[in-house]
Amino acid sequence: DQQVKQNSPSLSVQEGRISILNCDYTNSMFDYFLWYKKYPAEGPTFLISISSIKDKNEDGRFTVFLNKSAKHLSLHIVPSQPGDSAVYFCAASAQGAQKLVFGQGTRLTINP
Amino acid sequence: NAGVTQTPKFRILKIGQSMTLQCTQDMNHNYMYWYRQDPGMGLKLIYYSVGAGITDKGEVPNGYNVSRSTTEDFPLRLELAAPSQTSVYFCASRTQETQYFGPGTRLLVL
Repeated sequence: DQQVKQNSPSLSVQEGRISILNCDYTNSMFDYFLWYKKYPAEGPTFLISISSIKDKNEDGRFTVFLNKSAKHLSLHIVPSQPGDSAVYFCAASAQGAQKLVFGQGTRLTINP
Repeated sequence: NAGVTQTPKFRILKIGQSMTLQCTQDMNHNYMYWYRQDPGMGLKLIYYSVGAGITDKGEVPNGYNVSRSTTEDFPLRLELAAPSQTSVYFCASRTQETQYFGPGTRLLVL
C-alpha cells in the first residue's frame, strides 16, 4: 500500500523554465510534508517543508503547494538551474508520528 | 560538526556472511533511522530508535537487527546476508522539523 506516490519517475526541463514535481498521498492523517533532494552517491538533503495549516510555502526558487482536498502537493522550482538535476523525494508524516513515509522519487534533469 | 557519518561506503558480501553497518551522529539527536533504497524505489524504513536503549521495527525489518547503546551510534547488523539485501542503506537522525541523512552504504550480496 503506497501511501505516498510520485507518479512521474522522470522529468526533463529546459534551463530557466519552471520545474513542477508532483506528489499524491492517501492517508488523511498526514499533516506535515517534506521534499528532499538527492544527488548520486550522496544521502538525501532536506529542501523544503509544509504543514497542513498552510497551502503554500516559499524558500527562494522553491515553492511547495499543498491541496488537502485533493491530497496532492507539488514542488515548483523557478527558474530551473543545471544544479537542480537530482532525484526529488516527497515525504509525509502524521502528527506525533515518529516516522516519515517516502514516495518513490522523481529524477529531474535540467537541460542547458 | 560532521552530521551523520556511515561506514563503510561500499561492501561486497557473500551469501550467508554477516556484517555491521556503522552509523554515528554528533548532533545529539534522540531519533535515528535506518532506510534502504532499491533502484527506482523510495526509501523503506528498516528500524528506528527514539533514544538510547529503545528500538522499533519499521516497514522491512526482516534479516536485520539494531542496537542503540548510546545517543550517537546506531549500528545495523545483517546476520545472514542474502541477495535480496543488495541495496543502498541510509542512516538518518532527526530534529523536530526534518531528518538528516548520512552519505549511504552501498551493499552488494553475491
